[in-house]
Amino acid sequence: DGGITQSPKYLFRKEGQNVTLSCEQNLNHDAMYWYRQDPGQGLRLIYYSQIVNDFQKGDIAEGYSVSREKKESFPLTVTSAQKNPTAFYLCASNPGGGNSPLHFGNGTRLTVT
Amino acid sequence: GENVEQHPSTLSVQEGDSAVIKCTYSDSASNYFPWYKQELGKRPQLIIDIRSNVGEKKDQRIAVTLNKTAKHFSLHITETQPEDSAVYFCAASYYGNNRLAFGKGNQVVVIP
Repeated sequence: DGGITQSPKYLFRKEGQNVTLSCEQNLNHDAMYWYRQDPGQGLRLIYYSQIVNDFQKGDIAEGYSVSREKKESFPLTVTSAQKNPTAFYLCASNPGGGNSPLHFGNGTRLTVT
Repeated sequence: GENVEQHPSTLSVQEGDSAVIKCTYSDSASNYFPWYKQELGKRPQLIIDIRSNVGEKKDQRIAVTLNKTAKHFSLHITETQPEDSAVYFCAASYYGNNRLAFGKGNQVVVIP
């Protein structure tokens, strides 16, 4: 939505399995971000990428991994090392290079049992 | 890193009244302050933002004020309507950092 597509909307996994969340944008933005949202916790930054083939850890990167092989795509893998993976995950992008608004995708709700 | 706090966590207002949400930030280098609105089950959407070279910005019923000395900024919604009911997030960042630090959000409930 709005140029950023996250899929799937809902995702269910068994504990111990890795899972990859998709994020694609057609806004030609350089920078992309992954946030995790838990009730009452706001938006916490997991990873971000300011350019293709480069990314940095955010505030809660443990148990997650990313790649940025293409400008349009920034997939997030939730590994079995993430102790509390059940959450709402939001992908965002902006033109980068300075302060500019984030455009968010519609999110993926991941449930791990 | 930057730490952003929002108060109050929940705000109930009568329809037609004004709502004010205040955020404080810790890093004096921060110079960009957006506000996002998130309706239940939906993505956050930018409603207004302000940069540190101005003290106030308005867009119809919404305004944001910035006090750099005190390191706080506020969202003002006038003539509230039921569709204003949502969670509002403030955030802060500084040029060159390009990563926003978000507050924990305010639940605004407009009572018809």
